[in-house]
Amino acid sequence: NAGVTQTPKFQVLKTGQSMTLQCAQDMNHEYMSWYRQDPGMGLRLIHYSVGAGITDQGEVPNGYNVSRSTTEDFPLRLLSAAPSQTSVYFCASTPDVWALPDTQYFGPGTRLTVL
Amino acid sequence: ELKVEQNPLFLSMQEGKNYTIYCNYSTTSDRLYWYRQDPGKSLESLFVLLSNGAVKQEGRLMASLDTKARLSTLHITAAVHDLSATYFCAVDPYRGGSNYKLTFGKGTLLTVNP
Repeated sequence: NAGVTQTPKFQVLKTGQSMTLQCAQDMNHEYMSWYRQDPGMGLRLIHYSVGAGITDQGEVPNGYNVSRSTTEDFPLRLLSAAPSQTSVYFCASTPDVWALPDTQYFGPGTRLTVL
Repeated sequence: ELKVEQNPLFLSMQEGKNYTIYCNYSTTSDRLYWYRQDPGKSLESLFVLLSNGAVKQEGRLMASLDTKARLSTLHITAAVHDLSATYFCAVDPYRGGSNYKLTFGKGTLLTVNP
């Protein structure tokens, strides 16, 4: 298993540009989520999904869209990039939200800079 | 709104010493997670604590959970340089189950000096 994969690893955007951060997992996990990590802030939940076709907002959803058409993929879209969205983005997945709680498995991260 | 506070935020230790990182949270929960992050890397799961009084140990690290005090501790015994990293606690606020909407602390940057 590749686990949780994210592409790209690094990205530089100009203000106003849009882009999609890709996240995929091959572990058949139901739950997937996106976090952003800023210096001194820990990780903050952007959006999450409890299964294909179901998404919901986390703590900091503004400026981001998500969709979940398959179990494997959970892309994060930046609609109109702003410098405040400069951050490291992590995707995570968990096997089954209704089973005994398990840890979240994190992807390697995407480092995004918005100029 | 759930608040998760870690202290200290910065910890410089000598090899061989013991120390404890504290994680306080503001709402009732019986689900707490500890993660490790090396510089420029992703997060690695250390411990999952699921009930009051839970204690887990792995090598020189031991984590415990007191749900009544809303407190978890990560104890480091006889620190070695390889333990240098940032440590995060995260709380799932949903009682009686889990919804995985984790709230993270700001992290503790641990540096172990020879």
